[in-house]
Order: sequence, then structure tokens, then C-alpha cells
Amino acid sequence: DAGITQSPRHKVTETGTPVTLRCHQTENHRYMYWYRQDPGHGLRLIHYSYGVKDTDKGEVSDGYSVSRSKTEDFLLTLESATSSQTSVYFCATRTGGLETQYFGPGTRLLVL
Amino acid sequence: RKEVEQDPGPFNVPEGATVAFNCTYSNSASQSFFWYRQDCRKEPKLLMSVYSSGNEDGRFTAQLNRASQYISLLIRDSKLSDSATYLCVVNIRSGNQFYFGTGTSLTVIP
Repeated sequence: DAGITQSPRHKVTETGTPVTLRCHQTENHRYMYWYRQDPGHGLRLIHYSYGVKDTDKGEVSDGYSVSRSKTEDFLLTLESATSSQTSVYFCATRTGGLETQYFGPGTRLLVL
Repeated sequence: RKEVEQDPGPFNVPEGATVAFNCTYSNSASQSFFWYRQDCRKEPKLLMSVYSSGNEDGRFTAQLNRASQYISLLIRDSKLSDSATYLCVVNIRSGNQFYFGTGTSLTVIP
């Protein structure tokens, strides 16, 4: 298994507070992704990165920002959390050549 | 319209049965296709890639039909350990984005 960790694994927060989720990889993969998974929607892409400081939006990027200052870390920030952002968040990585994505264990976020 | 659509199931089958899942995709520029497996409250993991000529991995067979824009997964001789949700995934040509279906739930019954 790829060495991908996510922190925190669980978080409860209140509406309007900022939240940062961290994804850390030890595989030196070029691409990193943030998805959210909700019942009835499957996994939806929030943002992805194709290199240090290179990021792009996915299909559900509103309300989220990301940063990647090092190859191994990809941060997802909810500037002002809303209840609609209650979800399970998965980070994934991919090498440049292979198209297989490797997923982290997920972060369960509850926004009250 | 969703990029990828799957029958959510659930599929409840007895041990030893053969079960097939289908998945349709909307973008004809889709170039890469995958089946992932996701256990309850776990992360998705690659089950197999799907190649144009079809491919097999033990009890699992994947097929691609580009003309009708669907992929399929066949599981033979189902085991209890096959119980999971199976996710269909496609990648658009020259893109870095992957589109996931909502998943098909399978329960194999003793």
C-alpha cells in the first residue's frame, strides 16, 4: 500500500469556523487529489495538484482552497465551514505515468 | 448528466454465484477505465484496470464496450469476502481528473 496518511481522521466543528485537512504521502507521487464522498453522489473531485504549487479546481471546488508547498503534503482548507461540507474526505495520489490512484484512509468531518 | 452511472444495487447473491455489474459513461473522450473496491468505512482500492480487449484477473473479468459506452465487471464463484461496494471510474483523454460512479453494493450470502 502507498504511504498516505490523513489528519485528522475525525473532526467535529461548528459552522463558520475554518478547518484544514492534511494529506501526507511518502511515495513521491506527482499528483495529489482531494475528494469528498457523500451518499448518492459517489466520490467528487474538489481540487487536485500536479506538482508543487500547481493546483487546479475540480467539480465541487466552491468553498474550498488547497495548497501544496512540498511534494509530500497537500492541504485542504474550508475557509468558513458550512453544514453542507459535512462529508468524508479522501486524499489520493498518483504517479505521472500510471493512472492508478492510491487513497488515504479518509477524514470524517461533521459541521454542526 | 453524470459522467458515470452505475446501478447502486444492492446485489445480494449466494456464495458461488456469478454476478455482473455494468457502468455507463457519457463522454466519448473517456480513455481509461477502472474498477475500484470499497469496503464499508474504508478507502477505495484498485481492483483492476479495464482494457479495450477485456481482461481477467482470477475470478474477475472486466469488459469495455466503447460503441455503447459501458464497462462491465463479472465476478465468478462469489466469496463472502467479495462483499463490498464496487466503483466504476473513468478518465477523460489527456485529463488529470477521474470520474467516479456512485458504486454498486454487493453482499454475498452464506
